[in-house]
Amino acid sequence: DTGVSQNPRHKITKRGQNVTFRCDPISEHNRLYWYRQTLGQGPEFLTYFQNEAQLEKSRLLSDRFSAERPKGSFSTLEIQRTEQGDSAMYLCASSSSGTGIDGYTFGSGTRLTVV
Amino acid sequence: AQSVTQLGSHVSVSEGALVLLRCNYSSSVPPYLFWYVQYPNQGLQLLLKYTSAATLVKGINGFEAEFKKSETSFHLTKPSAHMSDAAEYFCAVSDGGYQKVTFGTGTKLQVIP
Repeated sequence: DTGVSQNPRHKITKRGQNVTFRCDPISEHNRLYWYRQTLGQGPEFLTYFQNEAQLEKSRLLSDRFSAERPKGSFSTLEIQRTEQGDSAMYLCASSSSGTGIDGYTFGSGTRLTVV
Repeated sequence: AQSVTQLGSHVSVSEGALVLLRCNYSSSVPPYLFWYVQYPNQGLQLLLKYTSAATLVKGINGFEAEFKKSETSFHLTKPSAHMSDAAEYFCAVSDGGYQKVTFGTGTKLQVIP
């Protein structure tokens, strides 16, 4: 297994356009998380999946954001009508189920720049 | 609600000197605590974790951290800094439920030759 894979690594888009990011977790991990990180800040929780079920969504996630994890494998995060404030690094992480002791395995992130 | 506070957004040490990065936590239940490292334009890598076993936890790259319940602290240390340790370090806490992890704001470590 090659770890958590995120694509694309970088995305530059014009304000108002839609963008979609993809995350491929470690195959045996059934939990998948999306975080957003802005400059000088720690990662902020966006949403969480256990298998295909989206179990929590942060208030940071406006109606313009949607995430899916069909069949409990890869996940996509879509941002509609992007705004300059959406510029950030979007991080995906996965972990195995259990008692929470494993920590996360992170991907390298997708850096979004909205111009 | 759980949270962590990292004291000092930037820390500079000389190569070979002791590294000490401070983290205090707040949690309503016995926490799981983590330290992650992030190199520029990369994701985060787990350095070490505390999960209620030994209070002194050893991690990768020579780092260790000590869980002190009385001080609600989980400071990260390394006896001798190396140039390759220059990175940003994040303390994080989980309530052990569905493993949602809350991160601190990070401490950027600079190592001076």
